Amino acid sequence: GQNIDQPTEMTATEGAIVQINCTYQTSGFNGLFWYQQHAGEAPTFLSYNVLDGLEEKGRFSSFLSRSKGYSYLLLKELQMKDSASYLCAVMDSNYQLIWGAGTKLIIKP
Amino acid sequence: GAGVSQSPSNKVTEKGKDVELRCDPISGHTALYWYRQSLGQGLEFLIYFQGNSAPDKSGLPSDRFSAERTGGSVSTLTIQRTQQEDSAVYLCASSLREGTDTQYFGPGTRLTVL
Repeated sequence: GQNIDQPTEMTATEGAIVQINCTYQTSGFNGLFWYQQHAGEAPTFLSYNVLDGLEEKGRFSSFLSRSKGYSYLLLKELQMKDSASYLCAVMDSNYQLIWGAGTKLIIKP
Repeated sequence: GAGVSQSPSNKVTEKGKDVELRCDPISGHTALYWYRQSLGQGLEFLIYFQGNSAPDKSGLPSDRFSAERTGGSVSTLTIQRTQQEDSAVYLCASSLREGTDTQYFGPGTRLTVL
């Protein structure tokens, strides 16, 4: 079966750094997406990785290791507005997105 | 520069009734997806439309669920004889093309079946 695992909830302090991990087992691989979803709102696109390595985009970075079936999302200089759920999704060989359950990130002052 | 829109934003219905959920994708996007999001679970794929091709219905949970896309734009998801387990947020997304193009999501319809 296809499986995406990520922690259910994480807590971090404003101004700090947090790393949200995602491991996956899917039928084929056509890239990994990270989305941010604030409570009651639509998911919004953060990043896409298809090759191994780190992609940096401002305060957010995303890393992929295809051989390990592993990705992480790194958030730096945390702000209160970063409190949200972070969704990891992998595109399988049929170009269908398989979604993790999301990690709820709580930022404390 | 409108994004994906969905209506209604909230729908409360009684068990056994039919409901229709609407999605207006981003103009020019050829691919349209429907997902269901239940509390504490990942997004569940329901159905996918690409251009004029036959839709991928592999995610529909039962024959009570159906969807159509008229004129390659607006889509309607219909749930017949609703059950309490159908209660969830129904999300629509569109992308410029199929494949690895980024999917842009609408705000969702929260369906509550009493």
